[in-house]
Amino acid sequence: QKEVEQNSGPLSVPEGAIASLNCTYSDRGSQSFFWYRQYSGKSPELIMSIYSNGDKEDGRFTAQLNKASQYVSLLIRDSQPSDSATYLCAVRGGISSGSARQLTFGSGTQLTVLP
Amino acid sequence: DTGVSQDPRHKITKRGQNVTFRCDPISEHNRLYWYRQTLGQGPEFLTYFQNEAQLEKSRLLSDRFSAERPKGSFSTLEIQRTEQGDSAMYLCASSLGTGLTSNQPQHFGDGTRLSIL
Repeated sequence: QKEVEQNSGPLSVPEGAIASLNCTYSDRGSQSFFWYRQYSGKSPELIMSIYSNGDKEDGRFTAQLNKASQYVSLLIRDSQPSDSATYLCAVRGGISSGSARQLTFGSGTQLTVLP
Repeated sequence: DTGVSQDPRHKITKRGQNVTFRCDPISEHNRLYWYRQTLGQGPEFLTYFQNEAQLEKSRLLSDRFSAERPKGSFSTLEIQRTEQGDSAMYLCASSLGTGLTSNQPQHFGDGTRLSIL
């Protein structure tokens, strides 16, 4: 079992719709959670961070965290063609896991927003 | 530009040659990380520095790989005797932080794409 799992997609949504991206993680002691956006050939760009259970909103983006279910999600409202990219879920592990400083990434979900 | 800077952006070399990459982190960041990313995968952790001390190394980091951060500022990653499997994007990231519970996010540079002929 991979430590951080994402649906690889591709996920296609029409312009203006809500895109929902999901991620599960195996280390129950994980401390912090991040969503990065990566355009083809470019480096990952941080778009959201979340540290406690619940929702966190920033503009059109909402991150949701449920530590009991070991689940984190990203919602993109009013999706635009410029949102078409690969979205990477990244998790900082628990202190006892030996990965408390590094990020463990999922393989990414490729999102296409159709005009 | 005050982001993470990496050089070169692209490197093409023949199998068996040595290569060195440089990373300049965001100036006030004390933590520096190296990751490797292959096509269709997320970045994989290689190594981590806090100031000049290399505190963590992944099992992925074979003895052909060495990283330094001599003055706690820029870092270099050297790969000796390159192999076909070393072809990847090498990403550098930096962050602020002290202690194991720091939540500061990591910011990535544009990466160095390595191609082994």
